[in-house]
Amino acid sequence: DAGVTQSPTHLIKTRGQHVTLRCSPISGHKSVSWYQQVLGQGPQFIFQYYEKEERGRGNFPDRFSARQFPNYSSELNVNALLLGDSALYLCASSWRSGGGTEAFFGQGTRLTVV
Amino acid sequence: GESVGLHLPTLSVQEGDNSIINCAYSNSASDYFIWYKQESGKGPQFIIDIRSNMDKRQGQRVTVLLNKTVKHLSLQIAATQPGDSAVYFCAERAGGTSYGKLTFGQGTILTVHP
Repeated sequence: DAGVTQSPTHLIKTRGQHVTLRCSPISGHKSVSWYQQVLGQGPQFIFQYYEKEERGRGNFPDRFSARQFPNYSSELNVNALLLGDSALYLCASSWRSGGGTEAFFGQGTRLTVV
Repeated sequence: GESVGLHLPTLSVQEGDNSIINCAYSNSASDYFIWYKQESGKGPQFIIDIRSNMDKRQGQRVTVLLNKTVKHLSLQIAATQPGDSAVYFCAERAGGTSYGKLTFGQGTILTVHP
């Protein structure tokens, strides 16, 4: 079975631009969460979606948004990119709304803002 | 506020030794504690979790201990191997309506010397 897949793997954007990151969860998993990992730190929670509804939001500005599709895949959108948005963006899937303990992570998307 | 921290940022051991990685947490409302392993260029990999009403849980070569009195969590790796070299994160999941939100600590770099 395929694990959590994220695309693209690497991305370079200019300040002020917009970016869309994509995630496909493990087959059968209904919940997707997004995390931002700055170099040298642990991942920081951004969003959780379950059955296409937002179920949790971290302390991130409104420039960050996400959605989940009927097939449970998800997109993370970031507008008006800042240099500080450079990070590894991780997607995690789990099968239930409260499934934080059984979250499986993808390889991440490395975003560089220049 | 919620926070999860680690006592030791780096740990260096010889192959075959046992490793102990420690973690302190501050949120008494957390219902699960989880250990993740992250290798360079990869997403976090689930190792083992423990529910807040337990004090010990064993897996294959790993044991997690939870001391709620002093809000301390540890991961013990038996017969450490070079392949265990990675960054190890503890994470907690708060109960209640926080659903899939995981709060990660800073991380401990484990280096295993052959």
